[in-house]
Amino acid sequence: KQEVTQIPAALSVPEGENLVLNCSFTDSAIYNLQWFRQDPGKGLTSLLLIQSSQREQTSGRLNASLDKSSGRSTLYIAASQPGDSATYLCAVSFTGFQKLVFGTGTRLLVSP
Amino acid sequence: GAVVSQHPSRVICKSGTSVKIECRSLDFQATTMFWYRQFPKKSLMLMATSNEGSKATYEQGVEKDKFLINHASLTLSTLTVTSAHPEDSSFYICSARELFPPVNTGELFFGEGSRLTVL
Repeated sequence: KQEVTQIPAALSVPEGENLVLNCSFTDSAIYNLQWFRQDPGKGLTSLLLIQSSQREQTSGRLNASLDKSSGRSTLYIAASQPGDSATYLCAVSFTGFQKLVFGTGTRLLVSP
Repeated sequence: GAVVSQHPSRVICKSGTSVKIECRSLDFQATTMFWYRQFPKKSLMLMATSNEGSKATYEQGVEKDKFLINHASLTLSTLTVTSAHPEDSSFYICSARELFPPVNTGELFFGEGSRLTVL
């Protein structure tokens, strides 16, 4: 069964800290991996998309890495801000399937 | 990025009634749209894959007669929750993949979601 797992489930940090969110998946044959942000009661905002052939993607203070062989991806947030507080979801498109399998999410709280 | 719009964003209905949720791709065409359901503080669970001009493909455990999906055009898919019960209360989110993207990344774009409350 193709599964996506995220740790930690929740994370609380003071403003300014650099932090890492982890995502692991059970099948290394992936098409791409996306990181999303979800604010309470809202839809999803796409943050970064990493293709199977790529190792990392960067957007502003965000950097996502992909290691297919170990079935892992990390989302690095530099100099965290209170506005970064949200749930972060990792989703994988496994090869041969036109759909995303979502991870369990990490709830991030950045305190001023 | 491409924009996906969902309507309504919130709906409250009585048990036994049917509710329709629309998902539109505003500035691109999508032959395939996906419907997800999200329970409070849980992740998204794929319900079905909606294909333009053909029947939707439902995930295991999802009742196709309960959750009717119609994908009549390249920009519109609808999810109808029939004979709604309180346990159908949830957050429903659709997503779409661009048919002819400038760069074929396979990226999915998501709507804002629709919160259904069944009394």
